[in-house]
Amino acid sequence: GAGVSQTPSNKVTEKGKYVELRCDPISGHTALYWYRQSLGQGPEFLIYFQGTGAADDSGLPNDRFFAVRPEGSVSTLKIQRTERGDSAVYLCASSTTSFGEQFFGPGTRLTVL
Amino acid sequence: KQEVTQIPAALSVPEGENLVLNCSFTDSAIYNLQWFRQDPGKGLTSLLLIQSSQREQTSGRLNASLDKSSGRSTLYIAASQPGDSATYLCAVGIQGAQKLVFGQGTRLTINP
Repeated sequence: GAGVSQTPSNKVTEKGKYVELRCDPISGHTALYWYRQSLGQGPEFLIYFQGTGAADDSGLPNDRFFAVRPEGSVSTLKIQRTERGDSAVYLCASSTTSFGEQFFGPGTRLTVL
Repeated sequence: KQEVTQIPAALSVPEGENLVLNCSFTDSAIYNLQWFRQDPGKGLTSLLLIQSSQREQTSGRLNASLDKSSGRSTLYIAASQPGDSATYLCAVGIQGAQKLVFGQGTRLTINP
């Protein structure tokens, strides 16, 4: 079956612009996670959804970052007033349950010029 | 705060060798541990999942062990092949929080 998909695969933007990153989880997976990975580092947790609600957003670095999952499936990570430090690979993962095995998408590479 | 450390950061071995990658974590209150593989410019592929109540899991040439009390896990790769070259990441699921905390990874190179 289809895995987790993310679009776009690459996004180049200018400092100060707004960007949206999309994640399509595996069908039927109720839990969805966003992580951010900087070069040479392991991924770092950003936010976790159980169904439509953000159950844990403790990893969002500041209020420029926001994520939604309005129908409990597709999720969008939104970044306002992008900064060069936001450049990273943004990874999405999903699992059947909150404590289940997490399956990752290919990521979106964001470059802020 | 949970911290995950992977040693070594990089490893280069000739094809055919058996090898061990190490992962340590500071807080034993975990619900599971996952090992992932990441190829350059790609996402993460789940290799093995060990629940906190388990001691080890095996898949093909891979075997992962978990010693929760000592905060350690190892990934054993038998008869290594050039196609095993990748970065291997260890991640622990924190009890009471549905998220993974990752190590920085071990970059593995298998030389033909």
